[in-house]
Order: sequence, then structure tokens, then C-alpha cells
Amino acid sequence: EAQVTQNPRYLITVTGKKLTVTCSQNMNHEYMSWYRQDPGLGLRQIYYSMNVEVTDKGDVPEGYKVSRKEKRNFPLILESPSPNQTSLYFCASSSQPGQGYSYSNQPQHFGDGTRLSIL
Amino acid sequence: RKEVEQDPGPFNVPEGATVAFNCTYSNSASQSFFWYRQDCRKEPKLLMSVYSSGNEDGRFTAQLNRASQYISLLIRDSKLSDSATYLCVVNSFTSGTYKYIFGTGTRLKVLA
Repeated sequence: EAQVTQNPRYLITVTGKKLTVTCSQNMNHEYMSWYRQDPGLGLRQIYYSMNVEVTDKGDVPEGYKVSRKEKRNFPLILESPSPNQTSLYFCASSSQPGQGYSYSNQPQHFGDGTRLSIL
Repeated sequence: RKEVEQDPGPFNVPEGATVAFNCTYSNSASQSFFWYRQDCRKEPKLLMSVYSSGNEDGRFTAQLNRASQYISLLIRDSKLSDSATYLCVVNSFTSGTYKYIFGTGTRLKVLA
């Protein structure tokens, strides 16, 4: 079954304790992305990756790190979590849409989400 | 101005009603468009892609107006199970990267 898998689903932790949220997809997608969702603010992109070893900042990258050593995995790292990073996090993946006239609709597929609470 | 704007609602409609949502986008270089559905605090799920010629999937019809830079979603014969938040998503390729921009969503409540 084609899917995006995030772990953990829920985590309560304390300020400053490094944590990693894993994301894995089995669809051979090039593009992967992390979002956070907060009430009234919608989904905001944290980081994205267009392919292995290619990552770039999204709209709200401060306090986060990512890596893309393999195509299927895109972990999100919080080196020193703070309470303002309490949020609902989603990982997503898609094929590359192509460019110019070969552009095609390539929707993103989302993981189930990780609810993170930093005390 | 936000890159993708939606009326947050809520839209409260009776069962069986027809309801329409609009979404405007600011980047004229945007190239692909989607509607997602999100139930409370769950992951967004693709409802449908939006094509230039307009497209229909059962009770759902999506349209794109590039000249005015908006997309729309029409839901006919609303069901209780249609109650959710509907997210408009725009994808563009600029400065060598792809970017998916999400609207904040329009909340729909279908009432018995």
C-alpha cells in the first residue's frame, strides 16, 4: 500500500531535549516536505527536499533541521525544542511535477501527523 | 496579501444543498492546483486536482480561472459526511524550486 509513515504519532517532551520525527514514503517520490499546522494559521512549510541530498528552507525553518540521505526518508530534527514548537506536524511527498510544458499535476500525499507537545 | 486566500467560513448548509467555495492566488506563475479535505486534526486528503478545462468527480466540480487567478469547488447534494475543512493548494515552479502553498481552509458544516 502506497503511504507516508510518520513516527511517533504523539510525543510529549521537555524543553531542550533533542528529538527526531521520522518520515518514510514507499512511492519513490522525489519531493518531500514538512509542515506544521497551528490554529488559524493553516499549514506552513518548514523544510522541503527536491531529491536526495537536496534540502531547502520553507517559510518557518527556525529551530528545525532536516536531512535527506535516502530517497524514502526525510527526518525532522528539533535540536533544542521550545514550547513554541508545540504543534501538529505533517510530512508529505509527491513526484516532481516537471517543468514548462511537461508540467503535470502531482498532488502531495500526507502522513497521519505527529502531535508534539513541548513543556 | 496572502499568496493563497480562502474564506474561512464556517459555511453552515442543510443536507442536500449546493455550496461553492472560492480560492484566490497571487502568483501568476502557479501551475497546478488542488482541493484537499481535512477532518478535524487529521491529515489532509486529496479531494481532486483542478484542471484548466474544469473537472467533475461525482458531486464535486472544480474549476480554474487563470485570468482572474481563482479556483472554485462546487459541492452538490451535500451530505452530513461532507462536513470538513476544505483546503485550496497551489503549486508553482519559481527560482528553480517547487512550492506548494496552502490556503488556511474553508470550514463546511452540513446540518441535518
